[in-house]
Amino acid sequence: TQLLEQSPQFLSIQEGENLTVYCNSSSVFSSLQWYRQEPGEGPVLLVTVVTGGEVKKLKRLTFQFGDARKDSSLHITAAQPGDTGLYLCAGDPSSNTGKLIFGQGTTLQVKP
Amino acid sequence: DVKVTQSSRYLVKRTGEKVFLECVQDMDHENMFWYRQDPGLGLRLIYFSYDVKMKEKGDIPEGYSVSREKKERFSLILESASTNQTSMYLCASSPQAEYTEAFFGQGTRLTVV
Repeated sequence: TQLLEQSPQFLSIQEGENLTVYCNSSSVFSSLQWYRQEPGEGPVLLVTVVTGGEVKKLKRLTFQFGDARKDSSLHITAAQPGDTGLYLCAGDPSSNTGKLIFGQGTTLQVKP
Repeated sequence: DVKVTQSSRYLVKRTGEKVFLECVQDMDHENMFWYRQDPGLGLRLIYFSYDVKMKEKGDIPEGYSVSREKKERFSLILESASTNQTSMYLCASSPQAEYTEAFFGQGTRLTVV
């Protein structure tokens, strides 16, 4: 069974701090997505990374896919209270079945 | 704007009841999924469908069944609801493309009492 391990599970920081969330696996993924979920809502796609070593930026968010396509990270610079939410990584196994494997999620709280 | 709509945001059902959760997407996506989300466990796949009348078990199908009679609609059925099925249920759809990107509904929080 392919697994994605996310860390940390919980993060509470002050506005303006930087943070990194990690998503690790022993398996290779053809692509990896990051989603953000607010309370009472479904997850919303932030980014998809598909190439080993790829780096994508979305304003203050930087996403990286590991060279071996087994891991990924999300870095937030100067976090804002609006960044508060649950961050989920999801991997598409190499078999391209259409199924995604999700990490457990990282709950981020940014205090003003 | 792309949309996945779940029929209810909150449901309270009694143990033993048959429960239907409905999901409709307007993006003409081939793939549709049902997940349940529990704290600390992330999203776990219950069933998915890659075409009309096609279905495949996910990681936790026990106690559930699904129906996909039309491309846009995917229903999750709890044959006999139990308290351990109290959870947040999320429906998603995705196109059949090289890279899977899922679009989610707003979720249904089901409580079985």
